[in-house]
Amino acid sequence: EIVLTQSPATLSLSPGERATLSCWASQSVYSYLAWYQQKPGQAPRLLIYDASNRATGIPARFSGSGSGTDFTLTISSLEPEDFAVYYCQQRITWPLTFGGGTKVEIK
Amino acid sequence: EVQLVESGGGLVQPGGSLRLSCAASGFAVSSRYMTWVRQAPGKGLEWVSAIYRGGDTHYADSVKGRFTISRDNSKNTLYLQMNSLRAEDTAVYYCARSTSYGDYVPWYFDLWGRGTLVTVSS
Repeated sequence: EIVLTQSPATLSLSPGERATLSCWASQSVYSYLAWYQQKPGQAPRLLIYDASNRATGIPARFSGSGSGTDFTLTISSLEPEDFAVYYCQQRITWPLTFGGGTKVEIK
Repeated sequence: EVQLVESGGGLVQPGGSLRLSCAASGFAVSSRYMTWVRQAPGKGLEWVSAIYRGGDTHYADSVKGRFTISRDNSKNTLYLQMNSLRAEDTAVYYCARSTSYGDYVPWYFDLWGRGTLVTVSS
């Protein structure tokens, strides 16, 4: 099983600041990694697929990068609606796995 | 409207069974890969089970032999039969649809239901 480790667990920032979230895989997942956003009481929302492709309707302030075992989700300038929990997910092998999540909270 | 609506959750005793349903509208469940993902209270996401368009299935080790994923194309509905339930199965269960980019249909999920809560307790 591929373990995805997300860092930091919590990120405290102010609106307008840049957020940088990390996801490390226990073995290479090539570029087969996605990022999701989840707000309290809501289902996850797909942001990025295949490491760097924005999903339909996702604003340009969200960007993904990385390959192999190291991945980054960047939010260039935080909007009030961006404060949420973010998860990475790999699809290279079964079982599909998610990272433990990074909570982006208002400082 | 394209959506997924889960139902069938509730309180069940350890060792009991439940069947979750996920009714799809706006697309055919047979046209996409479909999956179940769960989230224990206050915890992260855990993938549970998946079914290919052709009907092949996969399960997390934690549910293998106890849970069965299936679909009824005539009802456009996905199911999760859960047997021998344990306290650690307590979670919100989401169904989700795989993405599709032309011929490229990767196991990421672009449409999710709102979830149904399963509580396993005596």
